[in-house]
Amino acid sequence: DAGVTQSPTHLIKTRGQQVTLRCSPKSGHDTVSWYQQALGQGPQFIFQYYEEEERQRGNFPDRFSGHQFPNYSSELNVNALLLGDSALYLCASSPLGGADNYGYTFGSGTRLTVV
Amino acid sequence: RKEVEQDPGPFNVPEGATVAFNCTYSNSASQSFFWYRQDCRKEPKLLMSVYSSGNEDGRFTAQLNRASQYISLLIRDSKLSDSATYLCVVNGPNSGYALNFGKGTSLLVTP
Repeated sequence: DAGVTQSPTHLIKTRGQQVTLRCSPKSGHDTVSWYQQALGQGPQFIFQYYEEEERQRGNFPDRFSGHQFPNYSSELNVNALLLGDSALYLCASSPLGGADNYGYTFGSGTRLTVV
Repeated sequence: RKEVEQDPGPFNVPEGATVAFNCTYSNSASQSFFWYRQDCRKEPKLLMSVYSSGNEDGRFTAQLNRASQYISLLIRDSKLSDSATYLCVVNGPNSGYALNFGKGTSLLVTP
């Protein structure tokens, strides 16, 4: 049973560029959340997608946007990259529309470096 | 004030030792509490949920004190493989679907 799959695993971008990160949720999960984890910090909630819509958003600027597809997979887009966007980006999927806090499964993340 | 606060450590303990981590949370309406484990450069994984009555899973014991708004994790008979960062996680009505993570406490178990 495949868990949460994220791609790419590593990425280096230049300031000002745009990046797209991808996530395939665990089989049977319909909700996808994205988190940013800077070095030495805990993960910070970016947003959650359910039924192809952004259901909740954390304290992140509009440069961060996302999408969920009918097959429940999701993309995270970041525009106008800043050095401070360098972090591990984690995707977490959950079942039951995200109602089950105990059912979160995290992917291994995409490590983004902005130079 | 951050919603979830933890002592970042590091905690360096010898094999076989007992070690305890504490975590405090600011929102008294918080409803769900967890400890996650994160190995170096890996994803967080759920270690255990924390219930009001306290709960145990093998060598791990979690406690919740709602009055003082803190959560604890006790690890007995530490193993080398317990070396990791332990993340305290809280969820409540104000956070909606978002999990609020602490910065994590780093544990290093030495031979």
